[in-house]
Amino acid sequence: DAGVTQSPTHLIKTRGQQVTLRCSPKSGHDTVSWYQQALGQGPQFIFQYYEEEERQRGNFPDRFSGHQFPNYSSELNVNALLLGDSALYLCASSLYGLEYFGPGTRLTVT
Amino acid sequence: AQTVTQSQPEMSVQEAETVTLSCTYDTSESNYYLFWYKQPPSRQMILVIRQEAYKQQNATENRFSVNFQKAAKSFSLKISDSQLGDTAMYFCAFQGGSEKLVFGKGTKLTVNP
Repeated sequence: DAGVTQSPTHLIKTRGQQVTLRCSPKSGHDTVSWYQQALGQGPQFIFQYYEEEERQRGNFPDRFSGHQFPNYSSELNVNALLLGDSALYLCASSLYGLEYFGPGTRLTVT
Repeated sequence: AQTVTQSQPEMSVQEAETVTLSCTYDTSESNYYLFWYKQPPSRQMILVIRQEAYKQQNATENRFSVNFQKAAKSFSLKISDSQLGDTAMYFCAFQGGSEKLVFGKGTKLTVNP
């Protein structure tokens, strides 16, 4: 049984660019959450998707948007990248609330 | 809003010894879950243990156990017989009715041979 997978593993972008990160949930899971983990910090909740709708959102600007597909996979999009967006982006999937995390995508903005 | 505080940025322990990591939280909710996650240098966030707030019995998973004090809003993790593979960042996390996880800043644990 494959766990949560994320792609790419890491990437480097320039300020002002746009980026898309992808997540495939654990088999049987219908909910996907995204977290941002800055260096030396705990993860911060960005948003959560369920049944292709954004169910709740953390304190992040509208530059951060997402999508969930019918197969429950999800994308995180960040527009107009800032240096401060450099972080590890974690995807977690769940069924009835218990979240399992993927390995993360390391985003570096230069 | 819920907050989670881990007051020990770094800790170290000798192999085979016992170590306790501290966590306190603040919430007005009565039903919630508390977690300890481990994040080794590989970055994968791994669930160590989960505690349901309405259960008085402390959760245990092999060498890992918690001391859950609901009135004091305290949730510490005890690691017995520490192993080199336990070296990692440990995060305490709260999950209330919204189901999102609220994390502390983490404790870096080093197990020395």
